[in-house]
Amino acid sequence: GAVVSQHPSRVICKSGTSVKIECRSLDFQATTMFWYRQFPKQSLMLMATSNEGSKATYEQGVEKDKFLINHASLTLSTLTVTSAHPEDSSFYICSARRIRLAGGYEQYFGPGTRLTVT
Amino acid sequence: GDSVTQMEGPVTLSEEAFLTINCTYTATGYPSLFWYVQYPGEGLQLLLKATKADDKGSNKGFEATYRKETTSFHLEKGSVQVSDSAVYFCALSGSYGGSQGNLIFGKGTKLSVKP
Repeated sequence: GAVVSQHPSRVICKSGTSVKIECRSLDFQATTMFWYRQFPKQSLMLMATSNEGSKATYEQGVEKDKFLINHASLTLSTLTVTSAHPEDSSFYICSARRIRLAGGYEQYFGPGTRLTVT
Repeated sequence: GDSVTQMEGPVTLSEEAFLTINCTYTATGYPSLFWYVQYPGEGLQLLLKATKADDKGSNKGFEATYRKETTSFHLEKGSVQVSDSAVYFCALSGSYGGSQGNLIFGKGTKLSVKP
C-alpha cells in the first residue's frame, strides 16, 4: 500500500522558536496533501489543504502566517509552526491524496508528529 | 455543514466479545463513509469504506453498512481480539467529491480489549 512518512516523529522546542515538519509520499505522487491537528481525546481537525505549486488553502480559524505550508514537490509538503507557543503543542498529522485508477481519491496518512513547546 | 457523530468511549471489552461502535452523519448529497483505525503510537489506517447506500465495507472481521435511511455507518465485529485495541474514527468525504476530497472525522472511540 501507499506510504506516507513524517519527520520528525517527536520534537520539543522552546517558546518563540520555529519548527518545520515534513510530510513525504514515498511511493506515489501527491498533488494534494492535508494537514490535520489532533488534540488529546479529540478528533482530527483539518488545518489546511496543500496543493503542489500553489498556495495552501487554510480552514477558518487557522492562522496562515503562523502555520506556513509549502508544497514544493509532488512528494513533499512542509508545515512550519512559527514563533511557537505552548498552546501549539499538539499532534500534527499529514495525509497525501492519491488518485485512484478507477476514479476518485484515496487518502493515506502519515504517522504524525508530536510537538511539545516548552 | 457536514458532520460525523460517533459514540464516546472508552469502550472496554473482553476478548471474543461482540463490538458495536455507533456512527451517524449529517451531510448533503451522497458522501462516502469510512472507518479509520489508529493503533497506539501510529498514524491512521483505513479500515473499511463504503461509497454508496446499502454498501457494506468489510476488513479484518470488521463490517459496516452504509444506511442512508438512518444516516448511519455503525462498525461491528463479532469477536474482538486484544490486538484490536486502538482508537477508531468514523469519517465522511465530501458529498460532491469535495473538490479536494478532504475528510471530516468523528471524535474517535477508544477500544480496549482485555484478555
